[in-house]
Parts: sequence; structure tokens; C-alpha cells
Amino acid sequence: EVQLVESGGGLVQPGGSLRLSCAASGFIFNNYWMTWVRQAPGKGLEWVANIKLDGTERHYMDSVKGRFTISRDNAKNSLYLQMNSLRAEDTAVYYCARWGGYGSGSFYDWGQGTLVTVSS
Amino acid sequence: QSVLTQPPSVSAAPGQKVTISCSGSRSNIGNNYVSWYQQFPGTAPKLLIYENNERPSGIPDRFSGSKSGTSVTLVITGLQTGDEADYYCGTWDSTLSVLFGGGTKVTVL
Repeated sequence: EVQLVESGGGLVQPGGSLRLSCAASGFIFNNYWMTWVRQAPGKGLEWVANIKLDGTERHYMDSVKGRFTISRDNAKNSLYLQMNSLRAEDTAVYYCARWGGYGSGSFYDWGQGTLVTVSS
Repeated sequence: QSVLTQPPSVSAAPGQKVTISCSGSRSNIGNNYVSWYQQFPGTAPKLLIYENNERPSGIPDRFSGSKSGTSVTLVITGLQTGDEADYYCGTWDSTLSVLFGGGTKVTVL
């Protein structure tokens, strides 16, 4: 059974930093692209970033470029999202998801999400 | 606004059919596979349809997807109260950005 468990969310002040983690199990982690998707309260899904199987390719949504960094540790079956210079509009539930890459394009499995609140 | 356009809501009586559209452009839907996701309040999304019209194991055949040009459609037949949820289409585009539609709330009357 595939499991994705996010952690690291919480309350942070504007301009602050937070690091999210996602522990993966139940599949061969280094065979898949991984992604972060967020959902602001009462809003729709919004893709944040993705990272290739071996970490050699990464893509970001425009509003987080230069502030967020996605990374992975295949030895630990873990995905990360380092978030710096946080803004109020980054407030959302952040989901880690196993992604089919630029072919299928499907999000096969999702974690339960971790809430990030940016507020003073 | 989302690049992929979905109706905000659709509704029908139990047992009836609902159709949810998702419209894009040649750079996204027109050239790539599309997936559909179902999300209940307070829970994570779940893959419902992949590669335009394929169902993952465990998804009933009441759910079906199709694609024509730069639009895709999700059809739910034999509507049940348990189908009340938000539904999102998703794909990627030529800039390598991943896209979601704005979401459609399905209400069972």
C-alpha cells in the first residue's frame, strides 16, 4: 500500500521559513517524479513544484520561483520543500503526491496534507 | 483564474447523469493526457480517471472520461449521494507547468 506522510507545517510569520517533509513507502520511490500541490482554504488545487526521479530536473510555479526549493533523498524515500520568504498567500494545505511525469501527467497517490499558515 | 476552465457546479437527482467539462488549449489539453480527481471536504484528492479515459482499479465504471480536441469531459452516471464532492481536471502544458481546473462541485439533489 502506498503511503505518503507529510510533516513540517505550522504557523510562521511573513518573511519566515519552513521546511516540509514527505515520507514515502509502498512503492519504488526513485522510479517516480514527485510533486507538491497546495490548496488554499476554500480554494482549488494548485501545483507548486515537481522533481524528477534522480533530482536532476525541477520545475516550479512562477510565484514560488526563487523562494521555494524542492528536493528529494532517494536513500531515505523522502521528499522535501524548503519554503523561504513566506507570504500570506502561501497559506494552504500542502500535499505531497506521486506523479506520473511529463507523459501520463497523473497524480497517482496523495498524502493527507500539512497545513501552512503564514500570519503575524 | 485557472487556465483550464470548469463549471463551478453541476447538479442532478440520484440515478441521473452529470457531465463536467474542462476546456483548455492546444498547448495543454490538446497535446497531453488529462486526469480527473475527486475530493471530499477535508480530505486529499483521489485519482479518478487517468490518460483521458482510463480508470484506476477500484473506480466504478459509472465514472468515465473522454477527450475531444482541447476539451475533456467527465461523466458520472447513476448518480449517488456519495458522489457529492469536488472534481478537478489536470494536465500539463508546453511550459512544463502542471495545471488544474478550478474545480466543479457536484450536488445530488
